Amino acid sequence: KAGVTQTPRYLIKTRGQQVTLSCSPISGHRSVSWYQQTPGQGLQFLFEYFSETQRNKGNFPGRFSGRQFSNSRSEMNVSTLELGDSALYLCASSLWGLSYEQYFGPGTRLTVT
Amino acid sequence: GDSVTQMEGPVTLSEEAFLTINCTYTATGYPSLFWYVQYPGEGLQLLLKATKADDKGSNKGFEATYRKETTSFHLEKGSVQVSDSAVYFCALRGSSNTGKLIFGQGTTLQVKP
Repeated sequence: KAGVTQTPRYLIKTRGQQVTLSCSPISGHRSVSWYQQTPGQGLQFLFEYFSETQRNKGNFPGRFSGRQFSNSRSEMNVSTLELGDSALYLCASSLWGLSYEQYFGPGTRLTVT
Repeated sequence: GDSVTQMEGPVTLSEEAFLTINCTYTATGYPSLFWYVQYPGEGLQLLLKATKADDKGSNKGFEATYRKETTSFHLEKGSVQVSDSAVYFCALRGSSNTGKLIFGQGTTLQVKP
């Protein structure tokens, strides 16, 4: 079974631009979560989607948004990029329910210059 | 709010040494607890989990026991190998209906031959 895939793997953007990251979950998984990983703040939860609905949101500004499609694939968008948005963005998928663990993709490394 | 505290690294051990990485948590209700491992340039891999008090999670020689009385979930391995060198994250998922994971800061383990 293929794992979680994220595209692109690496991205370089300029301050003020916007970016869209994509995540394809494991087949059959309908829940997708996004996390930001930085050396200073560690791993922080961005949002969680299930059945095309945002179920939970972390403490990030409105510049960070996401969506989920009917095939469970998810995208996250960051507008008006800031230098501090440079990070590894990780996507995780799972079956829905408290007993199901999350499986992570390799991440997208975003560098903002 | 819920939180996870891990011992600071880096932890440097010789091959075949005993490993302990401390993890304590603060949470309301009955969270599920996890250990994830991250190898250089990769995403997170689930190492083990425990969903209720006194549960012991184990995988690949690693073990951790969910101790509600001490709010701890310490990771142990009897004999580490060079290939265990990685960053280890302790995480919790609260008892509410969400997949959101709260992570500790991570502990870097370096095993020398």
